[in-house]
Amino acid sequence: QSALTQPASVSGSPGQSLTISCTGISSDVGNYNLVSWYQHHPGKAPKLMIYEGYKRPSGVSNRFSGSKSGNTASLTISGLQAEDEADYYCCSFGGSTTFLWVFGGGTKLTVL
Amino acid sequence: EVQLVESGGGLVQPGGSLRLSCAASGFTLSSYEMNWVRQAPGKGLEWVSFISGSGTTIYYADSVKGRFIISRDTAKNSLYLQMSSLRAEDTAVYYCARDIVETTRYFDYWGQGTQVTVSS
Repeated sequence: QSALTQPASVSGSPGQSLTISCTGISSDVGNYNLVSWYQHHPGKAPKLMIYEGYKRPSGVSNRFSGSKSGNTASLTISGLQAEDEADYYCCSFGGSTTFLWVFGGGTKLTVL
Repeated sequence: EVQLVESGGGLVQPGGSLRLSCAASGFTLSSYEMNWVRQAPGKGLEWVSFISGSGTTIYYADSVKGRFIISRDTAKNSLYLQMSSLRAEDTAVYYCARDIVETTRYFDYWGQGTQVTVSS
């Protein structure tokens, strides 16, 4: 079973920018248009932040952006705000030969 | 407004059974693919099961295959997960999530989850 790798934690001060990386085998993150990112505040419903690698759903702040470099997908948050403190998960549909959704281990973002 | 509300979680002994429900509103369940995703304590998200909009295609993660059954009731616009032969490692918050299938694929709405605890 494939897996997506994320840093366990990142931190930044209000107003700063930071990036969360997501690496995986070529059949997952390599298929960039299947990468999505979710924000999860404990006790609440996860929220879609980025889909198709870089697109933002309506209502999501343009401070959030998605990109890819090689076999790594990234979520960048600019102008950090206190409410951005949450867990962030990358996800990819890795169903080339079998039906399988794969998530990264999650990154805890702390706003200092 | 799209809403997903899970219920049915609780404390169950190892080997026991539990049925989770996910009540959908703001859209018609039969028009969308749906999934169950779980999060064990201190762990990340794990996909559990999928059901197509037509209800004819179903998939399970290897970790639950043969023990969990996904289903839906179009009249009640609800999704279900029948869990049996429960193990300690099934302890998690269970979320239902709507699956969007286009040239890309993603979960656009999630519920707030229901806690399942398997313990003696």
